[in-house]
Amino acid sequence: QKEVEQDPGPLSVPEGAIVSLNCTYSNSAFQYFMWYRQYSRKGPELLMYTYSSGNKEDGRFTAQVDKSSKYISLFIRDSQPSDSATYLCATLSNDYKLSFGAGTTVTVRA
Amino acid sequence: GAVVSQHPSWVICKSGTSVKIECRSLDFQATTMFWYRQFPKQSLMLMATSNEGSKATYEQGVEKDKFLINHASLTLSTLTVTSAHPEDSSFYICSAQNRDRGPGELFFGEGSRLTVL
Repeated sequence: QKEVEQDPGPLSVPEGAIVSLNCTYSNSAFQYFMWYRQYSRKGPELLMYTYSSGNKEDGRFTAQVDKSSKYISLFIRDSQPSDSATYLCATLSNDYKLSFGAGTTVTVRA
Repeated sequence: GAVVSQHPSWVICKSGTSVKIECRSLDFQATTMFWYRQFPKQSLMLMATSNEGSKATYEQGVEKDKFLINHASLTLSTLTVTSAHPEDSSFYICSAQNRDRGPGELFFGEGSRLTVL
């Protein structure tokens, strides 16, 4: 079983829609949960991370973690064509190793 | 902000040759750097953890004699793919941990695309 499961999509939405991305993880010991954005042929860029359960908001982005169900979510409000990218969820172990999901490819149509 | 630089960004080589990829943290000291490999349309897979001044720790299934990692200073780690073969063609990405920041902030390089003919 993979440590982090993520539906690879692809996901296509019209401009202005809400993008909803989800992951599940298996190891209940994980405390840090990350979301990265990766453009084609580029390294991942950290969008935001959360510690333990709860919500975190940064501009149009909201990350949620539900540790009881081992569920991680990212919401993008008022999506823009520039948001088109691959979004990777990840968990961070105590020795700082990242376990990535498969990544979901998102296209925001103008 | 912090920047992690990788060089070269892309390289094409003949089968059997060795290729070295550099990963530099430009404005912070990185006690730990990580090397990942990413195949097309797949996620990043951790290959090894590189600690400054000590031997790298390799993930299961990664050949340490094939993927040589050196972390000689707090700002530089290198990955050498020895005797490269076409199946080694991939996107190699490093990340660096800034020891002055929280554990949730790891910075990635731009990646190095290796094509072995």
